[in-house]
Amino acid sequence: SQTIHQWPATLVQPVGSPLSLECTVEGTSNPNLYWYRQAAGRGLQLLFYSVGIGQISSEVPQNLSASRPQDRQFILSSKKLLLSDSGFYLCAWSVRSEQYFGPGTRLTVT
Amino acid sequence: GENVEQHPSTLSVQEGDSAVIKCTYSDSASNYFPWYKQELGKGPQLIIDIRSNVGEKKDQRIAVTLNKTAKHFSLHITETQPEDSAVYFCAASPFGTASKLTFGTGTRLQVTL
Repeated sequence: SQTIHQWPATLVQPVGSPLSLECTVEGTSNPNLYWYRQAAGRGLQLLFYSVGIGQISSEVPQNLSASRPQDRQFILSSKKLLLSDSGFYLCAWSVRSEQYFGPGTRLTVT
Repeated sequence: GENVEQHPSTLSVQEGDSAVIKCTYSDSASNYFPWYKQELGKGPQLIIDIRSNVGEKKDQRIAVTLNKTAKHFSLHITETQPEDSAVYFCAASPFGTASKLTFGTGTRLQVTL
């Protein structure tokens, strides 16, 4: 069966520090991969999606970037965090249309 | 692009009652409509989905209905239980693309004893 992992589960970072969140998927090949952000009590905002290694589409201009160095690995990065980057970051994968989410990373920027 | 509206934003029902959450979408090309349940501090969980060639789909106590003419779909939960308390999201997508889902804004369901 397929499994999606995200780490870390929680993170507290100061403004201006770098960020690296990692997501890996097991049990499937060539999935579409997604990064979402969810502000407290809000809906899901799609940040990036990828249909293959090295193929990244950005949905929202911001100081975040994404990379897909391997088929089942998706990384979300920032060189300098802003207070507004705080939120719940979710990685998801899909084959065809069904999307499945990871457990999320709670990021607090102080 | 697609726009999905979801109502109500909060819903409180007594245990055993039914709950209905409604969504409308704008893009007539959308033909895949999933529903997710998100418990506090967790990632959303896919609970049921429907495709445009089907008008209704049922799985135990939950059902989804779709009206493509009206661009409207709904989630129905019968015999609600306290463990149904969560935030529910609807979404829409054109099948066969990169599966980009457009989500509604969520409904917080509270099932009271």
